Amino acid sequence: EVQLLESGGGLVQPGGSLRLSCATSGFTFSSFWMHWVRQAPGKGLVWVSRVNSDGSDTFYADAVKGRFTISRDNAKNTVYLQMNSLRAEDTAFYYCAGGKRGTFPDYWGQGTLVTVSS
Amino acid sequence: QSALTQPASVSGSPGQSITISCTGTSSDVGGYNYVSWYQQHPGKAPKVMIYDVSNRPSGVSNRFSGSKSGNAASLTISGLQAEDEADYYCFSYTSSTTLVFGGGTRLTVL
Repeated sequence: EVQLLESGGGLVQPGGSLRLSCATSGFTFSSFWMHWVRQAPGKGLVWVSRVNSDGSDTFYADAVKGRFTISRDNAKNTVYLQMNSLRAEDTAFYYCAGGKRGTFPDYWGQGTLVTVSS
Repeated sequence: QSALTQPASVSGSPGQSITISCTGTSSDVGGYNYVSWYQQHPGKAPKVMIYDVSNRPSGVSNRFSGSKSGNAASLTISGLQAEDEADYYCFSYTSSTTLVFGGGTRLTVL
C-alpha cells in the first residue's frame, strides 16, 4: 500500500522557519519525482516545488523561490521542505505528492497544516 | 506563473454530461501536452483523473475524458453520478519548467 505521511506543520510567527517532512512507503521512492503542493483553507491548490528522483534538480514557484528549499533523502524514503522567512500568506495545508514523471504526481499524502500568525 | 483559468462552478443532473474548461497560454497549456486533471472531495487529497491531456490512469472510470485545443484544455464527465460532485483542478507544465494549477471548479450534481 502506498503511503505518504507529512509532518512538521504547526503555528509559527511571521519571519520564522519550519521544516516539513514527508515519509513514504509502498513505492520505489528513489525513482519518483516528489512535489509539495499547498492549499489555503477553503481555497484552491497551488503548486510549490518539485525535486527529481536523485535530488539533483529542484524547481520552485515564484512565490516561494529564495525562501523555501526542497530536498530528499532516498535512503530514508523521505522528502523535505525547509520554509524560511514565512509570511501570513504561506498559511495552508501542505501536501507532499509523488510521480514517476515530473509533470504530474500520482500519489498524495493527507497534508499538514502550517499557520503563520503572531 | 498565473493560475490557469477555470469556471468557478458547473452543475448537471445525474446522467447528463458536463465539460470543464481550462484556459492558459502558449507558455503552458498550449505549449505542451502535459495537462492533467485532479478531483478533490472535501477534506480529501486530490486524485489524478486525466494526465497528458487525454490519458486515464488505471482505475479511473471511462466516463472521464480530456482534450485540448490551442491554449485551452477540457475535462468532460459523461453519465454524471452523485459521487462525481467534487472540486476539479487542471494542472499544466510551463515553459519556466514549473507547474501551475487552475483556480478550480466546483461541480454540483443536481
